[in-house]
Amino acid sequence: EAGVAQSPRYKIIEKRQSVAFWCNPISGHATLYWYQQILGQGPKLLIQFQNNGVVDDSQLPKDRFSAERLKGVDSTLKIQPAKLEDSAVYLCASSWAGGMGTEAFFGQGTRLTVV
Amino acid sequence: GENVEQHPSTLSVQEGDSAVIKCTYSDSASNYFPWYKQELGKGPQLIIDIRSNVGEKKDQRIAVTLNKTAKHFSLHITETQPEDSAVYFCAASRGGGFKTIFGAGTRLFVKA
Repeated sequence: EAGVAQSPRYKIIEKRQSVAFWCNPISGHATLYWYQQILGQGPKLLIQFQNNGVVDDSQLPKDRFSAERLKGVDSTLKIQPAKLEDSAVYLCASSWAGGMGTEAFFGQGTRLTVV
Repeated sequence: GENVEQHPSTLSVQEGDSAVIKCTYSDSASNYFPWYKQELGKGPQLIIDIRSNVGEKKDQRIAVTLNKTAKHFSLHITETQPEDSAVYFCAASRGGGFKTIFGAGTRLFVKA
């Protein structure tokens, strides 16, 4: 089975520029997550979708970050404008929604460097 | 807010020895506890998980224990091999992956 696909793998931008990341989850997975992983830290959940609805976006900096999953499949995460502290790996994950505790499958991530 | 503490941050063992990583969580509503292994340049990969109705689970050289009263859970790797070298993350979540909180990670080095 194909895994979670993310693009691009790497991105370097200047501060105050905008950037977008794309994620294609595993086919049939209703739940999609975006995580931010700063170097040396564990992943931090930014937003969780169930189909095309938002379940949790409590840690998403909404003044600069936005995410959408319009058709309940692919998702994009955007940062506008970027700050130096946004430098991190952005991980997308998906899981089959159902029951108590389901395994999340992660993509390889997009490494963002803001200079 | 909810928090997961993980220690040690770095662990170095000799090949063949055992490795133990410990985590504590604060959200008493957590009922699913996965462990992930992350190799350089890759996303985290699930290696084992445990649910709140179980106290212990084993899969070959890997075992996880859960103490819900103390809000502790641990990962045990026996007969470590060089390919076990990676960063390991514990996590705690409510049902359906909701409110998944990760620990800060443990970098495991297995010396041949």
